[in-house]
Amino acid sequence: QQQVKQSPQSLIVQKGGISIINCAYENTAFDYFPWYQQFPGKGPALLIAIRPDVSEKKEGRFTISFNKSAKQFSLHIMDSQPGDSATYFCAALSSGSARQLTFGSGTQLTVLP
Amino acid sequence: ETGVTQSPTHLIKTRGQQVTLRCSSQSGHNTVSWYQQALGQGPQFIFQYYREEENGRGNFPPRFSGLQFPNYSSELNVNALELDDSALYLCASSLGGGRVSTDTQYFGPGTRLTVL
Repeated sequence: QQQVKQSPQSLIVQKGGISIINCAYENTAFDYFPWYQQFPGKGPALLIAIRPDVSEKKEGRFTISFNKSAKQFSLHIMDSQPGDSATYFCAALSSGSARQLTFGSGTQLTVLP
Repeated sequence: ETGVTQSPTHLIKTRGQQVTLRCSSQSGHNTVSWYQQALGQGPQFIFQYYREEENGRGNFPPRFSGLQFPNYSSELNVNALELDDSALYLCASSLGGGRVSTDTQYFGPGTRLTVL
């Protein structure tokens, strides 16, 4: 069964600090790796995404690092702000005809003012 | 450009009843995927519809069924509701599907279903 493992389960950082969330996958039949941000009572919102042929992608304060050989990828949030407090999910998109997302279990990020 | 919308926002049902949830895809998108998100967990793939046909299914029993309409909107039907069906049901739309690869999926706000 395809799985994506995410850690840590929860993370507390000070305002201005760096938040790092890690994910690992087991199946090589994934070819697109998005990160979603979810606020309570809302649907997941796409934050940033990467393909396995790229080792790093940066958009503003958000950076994805991707290690294809280790089957690991991570999200770095620079200069973390209280407004970043939310649950973050990594995901992997299957490469078959049904392009389904497999999600990690989520990381609850709290940024202290 | 309109985003993904879902209705209703909240729903309370009793065990054994049937429920229908609705989703309107983002303008220009022809593929709809449904996910179930239990409290404190990541979303789980239920199924995907592309051009009015089921295009893939996750590990959910047949009492979970769906439809996609010519305007690409979609319904999720759940029969014989069980207590464990209580969850946030998310709809995601994307462009492509079938033999055409799709990447970014945009989610709606979800429908919170409570089964008593």
